[in-house]
Amino acid sequence: EAGVTQSPTHLIKTRGQQATLRCSPISGHTSVYWYQQALGLGLQFLLWYDEGEERNRGNFPPRFSGRQFPNYSSELNVNALELEDSALYLCASSRPGQRDSSYEQYFGPGTRLTVT
Amino acid sequence: SQQGEEDPQALSIQEGENATMNCSYKTSINNLQWYRQNSGRGLVHLILIRSNEREKHSGRLRVTLDTSKKSSSLLITASRAADTASYFCATVWIYKLTFGGGTRVLVKP
Repeated sequence: EAGVTQSPTHLIKTRGQQATLRCSPISGHTSVYWYQQALGLGLQFLLWYDEGEERNRGNFPPRFSGRQFPNYSSELNVNALELEDSALYLCASSRPGQRDSSYEQYFGPGTRLTVT
Repeated sequence: SQQGEEDPQALSIQEGENATMNCSYKTSINNLQWYRQNSGRGLVHLILIRSNEREKHSGRLRVTLDTSKKSSSLLITASRAADTASYFCATVWIYKLTFGGGTRVLVKP
């Protein structure tokens, strides 16, 4: 079974530009989560998509946005890039209907975004 | 702010020794999970313990949970150089997974 994939592996952008990061969940998973891991700040929850809808959002400005496509893959868009947006962006997916509230998440390798 | 806080922030041990790290949290949880991250790459799920469980084992891993103290511990027995990584606890409450700051573990051969 293929794991969560993310592209690109590395992305270098200039301040003020826009970045688009992509994520493909494990086959059969309907939920996709995005996290930001900046140096020294740990993992910060960004967004959660399930069945094409945004379900929850972390404490990030509106220039961080995304969407989930009918095939459950997802995009994270960061507009008006700032230097402090430089970080590793991790995507995770989980199975549908986790009524037992486990919400075990499977992570991709991440996209390292560098803003210069 | 993060839900879980890990202690210690970093740990250095010899191969074969045990590694213990702790996680404290502040609010209610459905379950608590531990993840490992190698060299700034993706996280790997290690073990999940539900709020009504007190202890769980998986291979060389032992996790405890004390909901009265809002704390959990992860024990790695007979550590190996390949266990060198950052370890994160994550609490789950109503759909949301919140990660702690992590413990960096270095296992020296």
